Amino acid sequence: DAGITQSPRHKVTETGTPVTLRCHQTENHRYMYWYRQDPGHGLRLIHYSYGVKDTDKGEVSDGYSVSRSKTEDFLLTLESATSSQTSVYFCAISESMRSSYNSPLHFGNGTRLTVT
Amino acid sequence: SQQGEEDPQALSIQEGENATMNCSYKTSINNLQWYRQNSGRGLVHLILIRSNEREKHSGRLRVTLDTSKKSSSLLITASRAADTASYFCAINTGGFKTIFGAGTRLFVKA
Repeated sequence: DAGITQSPRHKVTETGTPVTLRCHQTENHRYMYWYRQDPGHGLRLIHYSYGVKDTDKGEVSDGYSVSRSKTEDFLLTLESATSSQTSVYFCAISESMRSSYNSPLHFGNGTRLTVT
Repeated sequence: SQQGEEDPQALSIQEGENATMNCSYKTSINNLQWYRQNSGRGLVHLILIRSNEREKHSGRLRVTLDTSKKSSSLLITASRAADTASYFCAINTGGFKTIFGAGTRLFVKA
């Protein structure tokens, strides 16, 4: 699994509570991504990081924030969880963006989040 | 939407048969990628094909790309029960973002 660990693997939380998901990589890859996966929608990009303290929004970033203080860790925070954020969250990493052709993404095994 | 759209949504075949999945997209791309996802797991990269390439092979997998038709196909030859999974195409249009389709669920019956 390309040295990617997501924690926790499962979480149930109540509406309105803050939640932080963690992605840890041992590959020293520069680029890290958070996706959510919902039935019928495939994977949708939430936020991504192109270096320590360098992050940007994806297509479904509302209600989410991220932080990357070290190369190996990328945190996703739901400031006030809502039922619409019930989903499976995947972290991914990629190696190089030097050329116009991406390296492929390598994924963790996901965090299943349920907001009640 | 820029995302790739897979067709069919679901496919059921017998072991030993070939499986073909298609992906269409709407914009110019740098590359197109195919991934597999087993139940309860993360996605695993299969093949990346660049916009100036027309065909790539990897073991029993064959990917074609037709940029004039904005479409790609993934062929799995001699399918096995272990090939049962969801398959996703993803496009990169430049920069950091890779955009995924909704996937094709493949079921291979032993």
